[in-house]
Amino acid sequence: AQSVTQLDSHVSVSEGTPVLLRCNYSSSYSPSLFWYVQHPNKGLQLLLKYTSAATLVKGINGFEAEFKKSETSFHLTKPSAHMSDAAEYFCVVSYNTGGFKTIFGAGTRLFVKA
Amino acid sequence: DAMVIQNPRYQVTQFGKPVTLSCSQTLNHNVMYWYQQKSSQAPKLLFHYYDKDFNNEADTPDNFQSRRPNTSFCFLDIRSPGLGDAAMYLCATSSVRVGTDTQYFGPGTRLTVL
Repeated sequence: AQSVTQLDSHVSVSEGTPVLLRCNYSSSYSPSLFWYVQHPNKGLQLLLKYTSAATLVKGINGFEAEFKKSETSFHLTKPSAHMSDAAEYFCVVSYNTGGFKTIFGAGTRLFVKA
Repeated sequence: DAMVIQNPRYQVTQFGKPVTLSCSQTLNHNVMYWYQQKSSQAPKLLFHYYDKDFNNEADTPDNFQSRRPNTSFCFLDIRSPGLGDAAMYLCATSSVRVGTDTQYFGPGTRLTVL
């Protein structure tokens, strides 16, 4: 079965410190992996995506993620958190084999302290 | 700017009173999706249209229907809203229905059921 697990429901960091949001996936197929961000009462915005090209993916606002097939992980990182990064982050797996499917992780709420 | 627009942003309805939520897009995308997102949960795909082809998720209640009269517009109809249908409803679009394709989200409509 295909699944996405975000290992932390909440992460709290201080402004200026690194951010790590963890995501593991399970897929029998070659998935595409995405990170989306959702600010309160807003829609989702794409941060970055992996589609079988370079394993280190750079996204918007200084975020990046590394696809590690051996660990089935796609963790999201940022070297230095900003107050505006406080939001909900979703890891998403998508694939076509056996029919189109998109699976969302449960989300990680990022808190940034001044 | 090309975008996904949802109207209204906030909708209040009474228990059992039909309600329609609207989504429009200026991206000229072939695929339009409807998601339900309950408080502190991940978005859950209800159904999607690939052009005029309607694709219902297996666990979407019959109470939820959708119409897509043309490429630009898609509607979500809730025939008899219950208290459990109170949620944020997100519309999204993508150019094609492949796993690698990015979904572009609207700001959402928050539905309250009294």
